[in-house]
Amino acid sequence: EVQLVESGGGLVQPGRSLRLSCAASGFTFDDYAMHWVRQAPGKGLEWVSGISWNSGSIGYADSVKGRFTISRDNAKNSLYLQMNSLRAEDTALYYCAKDRMGYCSGGSCYFDYWGQGTLVTVSS
Amino acid sequence: DIQMTQSPSSVSASVGDRVTITCRASQGISSWLAWYQQKPGKAPKLLIYAASSLQSGVPSRFSGSGSGTDFTLTISSLQPEDFATYYCQQANSFPAFGQGTKLEIK
Repeated sequence: EVQLVESGGGLVQPGRSLRLSCAASGFTFDDYAMHWVRQAPGKGLEWVSGISWNSGSIGYADSVKGRFTISRDNAKNSLYLQMNSLRAEDTALYYCAKDRMGYCSGGSCYFDYWGQGTLVTVSS
Repeated sequence: DIQMTQSPSSVSASVGDRVTITCRASQGISSWLAWYQQKPGKAPKLLIYAASSLQSGVPSRFSGSGSGTDFTLTISSLQPEDFATYYCQQANSFPAFGQGTKLEIK
């Protein structure tokens, strides 16, 4: 059974940093691209960032580019999101999502499994 | 950036009804489109990918169609468990979601 378990969320002041983690199990982690998708309270879904199976291809939404860094450790079956210079508008439930393929490109970016999310609240 | 627009934003229907939700892309995306279902307090669930391919385990009452800029999700006979919010998503290198369509019980 595929399982994705996020952790690391919490309350943080504007301008501070936070690191999210996603522990994966039930599939061959290093075969698939992985993503972070967020959902602000009562709002829709927003793709944040994605990383290919070998970390060779990485992408970010314009809203987080230059502030967030995605990474993965295939030996530990783990995905990470380093979030710096946090803003109030980054407040959201952050989901870890598995891609159907090893790369997210050319129309192949589909998210077939999701974790339950970790809540990030940015407030003073 | 490619923008995705869903309509309607909300729809009321009854069990057994046929429901169609539409999604329009701001530019052509071939068949690079997915549909997700999200229930309150739960993570989204992939229903359809590549515009019309049914994800494993998803009931056959769900179907998708379209290409280019216009896409539809059809639920042929609504079941009680289908009342949820539905999102389309363009599957390009920088994925983007529609704003969602809330399907409510009439």
